[in-house]
Amino acid sequence: GAGVSQSPSNKVTEKGKDVELRCDPISGHTALYWYRQSLGQGLEFLIYFQGNSAPDKSGLPSDRFSAERTGGSVSTLTIQRTQQEDSAVYLCASSLGHAQDTQYFGPGTRLTVL
Amino acid sequence: QKEVEQDPGPLSVPEGAIVSLNCTYSNSAFQYFMWYRQYSRKGPELLMYTYSSGNKEDGRFTAQVDKSSKYISLFIRDSQPSDSATYLCAMYTGGGNKLTFGTGTQLKVEL
Repeated sequence: GAGVSQSPSNKVTEKGKDVELRCDPISGHTALYWYRQSLGQGLEFLIYFQGNSAPDKSGLPSDRFSAERTGGSVSTLTIQRTQQEDSAVYLCASSLGHAQDTQYFGPGTRLTVL
Repeated sequence: QKEVEQDPGPLSVPEGAIVSLNCTYSNSAFQYFMWYRQYSRKGPELLMYTYSSGNKEDGRFTAQVDKSSKYISLFIRDSQPSDSATYLCAMYTGGGNKLTFGTGTQLKVEL
């Protein structure tokens, strides 16, 4: 079946511009995660959505980062006024519900801020 | 100090070798331990999943957890070039919403 998909696969932007990254989770998965992967830093948790509950935004690094999930399915991560330190791979994962459930990752969006 | 420490490598071994990958952690509340494999330009995929201490074997892969030492390992027997990837350990306390990942170890298995 279809896995987690993300778009675009690559995004190059200029410092100060806004970007939107999209995630399509596996159908039926109620939990959705966004992570950031920087060189040598591992996966950094950003935000977690579970069903209709309020999202866990505890990992968002600044108020320039926001995310929404519409209709319990597709999610968009928005970064406003991008900075060079935002350059990283942004990964989305979905699971059946709880953090200990297997998380299925998308291929990621590679963001480069010039 | 990070909650989870993992040697980034790179680790280069000949085909057929036994590979040992390790993570140490500081949070004694971690109960669930996972190993993810990530090929270049791909998302991580779950390889092994263990709960609490002990060993778990799946084919050529063995995951080992020693909670008393706060140390987990992944062993790969008869390593193959197709095992060349980055291996990330991940841990979860059982509460909250997030996994805590190591930085990943880059493994290259050479012919």
